[in-house]
Amino acid sequence: DGGITQSPKYLFRKEGQNVTLSCEQNLNHDAMYWYRQDPGQGLRLIYYSQIVNDFQKGDIAEGYSVSREKKESFPLTVTSAQKNPTAFYLCASSRTAVNTEAFFGQGTRLTVV
Amino acid sequence: AQSVTQLDSHVSVSEGTPVLLRCNYSSSYSPSLFWYVQHPNKGLQLLLKYTSAATLVKGINGFEAEFKKSETSFHLTKPSAHMSDAAEYFCVSYNKLIFGAGTRLAVHP
Repeated sequence: DGGITQSPKYLFRKEGQNVTLSCEQNLNHDAMYWYRQDPGQGLRLIYYSQIVNDFQKGDIAEGYSVSREKKESFPLTVTSAQKNPTAFYLCASSRTAVNTEAFFGQGTRLTVV
Repeated sequence: AQSVTQLDSHVSVSEGTPVLLRCNYSSSYSPSLFWYVQHPNKGLQLLLKYTSAATLVKGINGFEAEFKKSETSFHLTKPSAHMSDAAEYFCVSYNKLIFGAGTRLAVHP
């Protein structure tokens, strides 16, 4: 079945460690996105990519990094520089970056202890 | 810059009464706008979308929204709320997928 897959669903890490969240889609979508969701703050855009080998910072990119080496994959690394990494992270993809419906993964809940 | 503003962080209604969730957008051109719903512990689901074909858009589960350029609004409505409508609702602009802050809808018996 076509879709977008995030793994793992729950992730625990010690403070000071980098951690990479996986996002894979088999929808042949050009655009992919990473969001962070905190209670009462909606979804805030971290990074987005309109096409393979290209990505742009969103509103809260500090402390995060991404790569887009393959069309189907858009991993997000939460670095030790991110001050408050504990959150729910959502990945999305859309056929293009403008005016097309996005499909969302089920999310990864990251807890840093 | 383009943005969407959801005017209410929480809305509470009684079952069977109308629902109104408000969204305003700011853009130098007519954007494509969407409403998504997120039920507790579930993923985001598309409710409806406006892409300039018609100003009144009908979505799933009895929801609809009207695009009003003069008011820069795209409010979500439903004539009669059901308990299962309790969720968080997001207004989204489809240029770089910009989300509003969300409105949590509570439905009381």
